[in-house]
Amino acid sequence: GAVVSQHPSWVICKSGTSVKIECRSLDFQATTMFWYRQFPKQSLMLMATSNEGSKATYEQGVEKDKFLINHASLTLSTLTVTSAHPEDSSFYICSARDGAPSQETQYFGPGTRLLVL
Amino acid sequence: GEDVEQSLFLSVREGDSSVINCTYTDSSSTYLYWYKQEPGAGLQLLTYIFSNMDMKQDQRLTVLLNKKDKHLSLRIADTQTGDSAIYFCAESIIAGNNRKLIWGLGTSLAVNP
Repeated sequence: GAVVSQHPSWVICKSGTSVKIECRSLDFQATTMFWYRQFPKQSLMLMATSNEGSKATYEQGVEKDKFLINHASLTLSTLTVTSAHPEDSSFYICSARDGAPSQETQYFGPGTRLLVL
Repeated sequence: GEDVEQSLFLSVREGDSSVINCTYTDSSSTYLYWYKQEPGAGLQLLTYIFSNMDMKQDQRLTVLLNKKDKHLSLRIADTQTGDSAIYFCAESIIAGNNRKLIWGLGTSLAVNP
């Protein structure tokens, strides 16, 4: 149980284009999803917390107009990197948590590797 | 502020035990987690411990929590080459109306045959 998928697993795009990454909880309803980015040999950096049906809460320093997050259903959240630039190249990982008050554990997707040329 | 610290590297021989240590600062932590990340892959939840527990054992994994010293450790018994990975310690804290994870930088475990 508690499987989270991401699509695509990797993407290469030209500078200036937008890229959409999907995060799905496959066998549970995720009222909260998280988006992280990870640079090589570094820890995870939380970008935003997304609650189903409401606006995402962005961490300090993360541009909400550049990283658009939509959490329209209990099993799907999307992250769109708008007008991507080479410095946006990174490993993007989502995680999901179900809504039970006692359940705090986050389950992670396999990650999406983005390379912007 | 919130901070989680881990040593960056650990090298052990196959068959030995590995102990990965972590310290945290936020006393309001409820759950503390250990995640494993293999090269180029996402994160796999290994185990977690609730803050009112001292110890949790799960097969080859033993988690020890010293809440007074804010110290968490993960012991892997009979370490195998397949255990080579980066191990992240994380604490769950309250952030506004949500809970979020504060991450350590990860400990890179190398298992030598």
